[in-house]
Amino acid sequence: GAVVSQHPSWVICKSGTSVKIECRSLDFQATTMFWYRQFPKQSLMLMATSNEGSKATYEQGVEKDKFLINHASLTLSTLTVTSAHPEDSSFYICSASLIRDSPLHFGNGTRLTVT
Amino acid sequence: RKEVEQDPGPFNVPEGATVAFNCTYSNSASQSFFWYRQDCRKEPKLLMSVYSSGNEDGRFTAQLNRASQYISLLIRDSKLSDSATYLCVVNARWSSGGSNYKLTFGKGTLLTVNP
Repeated sequence: GAVVSQHPSWVICKSGTSVKIECRSLDFQATTMFWYRQFPKQSLMLMATSNEGSKATYEQGVEKDKFLINHASLTLSTLTVTSAHPEDSSFYICSASLIRDSPLHFGNGTRLTVT
Repeated sequence: RKEVEQDPGPFNVPEGATVAFNCTYSNSASQSFFWYRQDCRKEPKLLMSVYSSGNEDGRFTAQLNRASQYISLLIRDSKLSDSATYLCVVNARWSSGGSNYKLTFGKGTLLTVNP
């Protein structure tokens, strides 16, 4: 069964609006979760590492003010795409691992379309 | 040299064929290695971890050569259901973006198994 749950699975929004994506670890506590983005026919690109109780660490080139990450509990991380634009349309996936260096378990992803 | 580089593909093979995927990585400090499969418009799912001694799981065999920084995946007796994109994933300890470690994904190799 799924160990990481992501919601919503897909969302269509108008340009300028904000979209929140939730990622929950099921049956385990995840002090660290990861947010990825995947454009069509491209590889997954790590956007940021979400740390419970502290600020997220962002990869180079990812705007922290545009992609707000909150990891307020050991089982929930949220990614908010603020003032979304069509170029933000992508497949966003969260992940978590039970212990460091172990394989990642992925959420089912969120397909965001900004019109 | 790219961090993780895979055969560009795509691979089109008949049912029952044996197919091999190759992957090289640039960071000699890489700690752990995985193969994931990703179906179209879905999240990646762990196929298998890769160990130095090589490991096998049914029709799938993974090999790791640390000296050459090379990973392979062999699929025997391929099935229609094996059609997917196969992702080579490497976990390395480095401080990019402030993370202590991160998974780096190859671009993936698309496999289509034909009847």
